[in-house]
Amino acid sequence: QVQLVESGGGLVKPGGSLRLSCAASGFTFSDYYMRWIRQAPGKGLEWVSYISSSGSTIYYADSVKGRFTISRDNAKNSLYLQMNSLRAEDTAVYYCAREGLSGGALDIWGQGTMVTVSS
Amino acid sequence: QSVLTQPPSASGTPGQRVTISCSGSSSNIGSNTVNWYQQLPGTAPKLLIYSNNQRPSGVPDRFSGSKSGTSASLAISGLQSEDEADYYCTTWDDSLSGQVFGGGTKVTVL
Repeated sequence: QVQLVESGGGLVKPGGSLRLSCAASGFTFSDYYMRWIRQAPGKGLEWVSYISSSGSTIYYADSVKGRFTISRDNAKNSLYLQMNSLRAEDTAVYYCAREGLSGGALDIWGQGTMVTVSS
Repeated sequence: QSVLTQPPSASGTPGQRVTISCSGSSSNIGSNTVNWYQQLPGTAPKLLIYSNNQRPSGVPDRFSGSKSGTSASLAISGLQSEDEADYYCTTWDDSLSGQVFGGGTKVTVL
């Protein structure tokens, strides 16, 4: 079935790095734009980054620009988020999501992976 | 401080109609379509309404969306206990070149 599975979360010290992965299955990954969305504990949803189907167009939220890098490997059906210079305020559940319908609608979401930035 | 403004909470009794507002500006709602997500406790968000008023397959027609100018709204008619969740509006913001969310509205079924 159509599925997204995130991995790579964990506990990291401030200033450290982490790489999140999102494995796609059940659909032609290379046809879809993808996004990363995060949610801090007890808070609302926050968009992090967006990548086009070919990887040629990328956007970042101001809060992560210059520190995070989104990428994809269509041959491996995988989406990535390289996170550097992590801060306490980056602590959140990170979701990958597929832009599958018009208007940028995210129709498929992963279960999320928790990133905790703490000393 | 979210770019889109939603009421923090809304409530109703079973069978009632509840409406959630989402207010933005000309650079976001005024220029782009709005999507709505439902998030049940401890789960990933689920797409509820896309392109202002379209329902993905499987979403009950009790849920409806609308947009006028720089505001949008989500209506839940025939409220049911399983509708207790957080609801988020979102759209693209041309000035920020990014996706923006409302702060979320917690719906309680009394």
